[in-house]
Amino acid sequence: EADIYQTPRYLVIGTGKKITLECSQTMGHDKMYWYQQDPGMELHLIHYSYGVNSTEKGDLSSESTVSRIRTEHFPLTLESARPSHTSQYLCASSEPGLAIDEQFFGPGTRLTVL
Amino acid sequence: QKEVEQNSGPLSVPEGAIASLNCTYSDRVSQSFFWYRQYSGKSPELIMSIYSNGDKEDGRFTAQLNKASQYVSLLIRDSQPSDSATYLCAGGGFQKLVFGTGTRLLVSP
Repeated sequence: EADIYQTPRYLVIGTGKKITLECSQTMGHDKMYWYQQDPGMELHLIHYSYGVNSTEKGDLSSESTVSRIRTEHFPLTLESARPSHTSQYLCASSEPGLAIDEQFFGPGTRLTVL
Repeated sequence: QKEVEQNSGPLSVPEGAIASLNCTYSDRVSQSFFWYRQYSGKSPELIMSIYSNGDKEDGRFTAQLNKASQYVSLLIRDSQPSDSATYLCAGGGFQKLVFGTGTRLLVSP
């Protein structure tokens, strides 16, 4: 079944640790996105990619980095986690070939940095 | 002016009523519009997309787009308590979607 997956779903980690949030999709989509969302607040785009070896920063300044080595995989890395990184991180992907695409979201990773 | 604006609510309707959710957008948002439903603590789920002026119906949901007035709306007929969620309006910006802050809908039994 075509879907978008995120792991871990929940992560509690100490300050200064390096973490990688995983996102994979089996939908055959070229475009992938990372959003950050605090509880009850709006979505903020932090990274996006239009294909392999393509990554761009989004609207919200983020200390995270991303890579796109395989079409289906778009991991997000925080080199040194801080309490200010506590948030929900949502990965999305969209259909190829359209100018403005319908985006489909994964289940999210809720990150807590102590 | 924000690119996509929504009233944060909450919008309260009784079960069985029609819920009307509205969204306005700026010139910087182009012709594609989407409605997402987000339950508390969950990720957004796409429920409707609309690209041209007029109405688009899917089950109990109807999306309406008026490009001249720059607004898009979502009607939910026969509202159910399970429809209680935050509804996000999104419009196509330059190479990305622009999301509104969402309207919280509460449907009381």
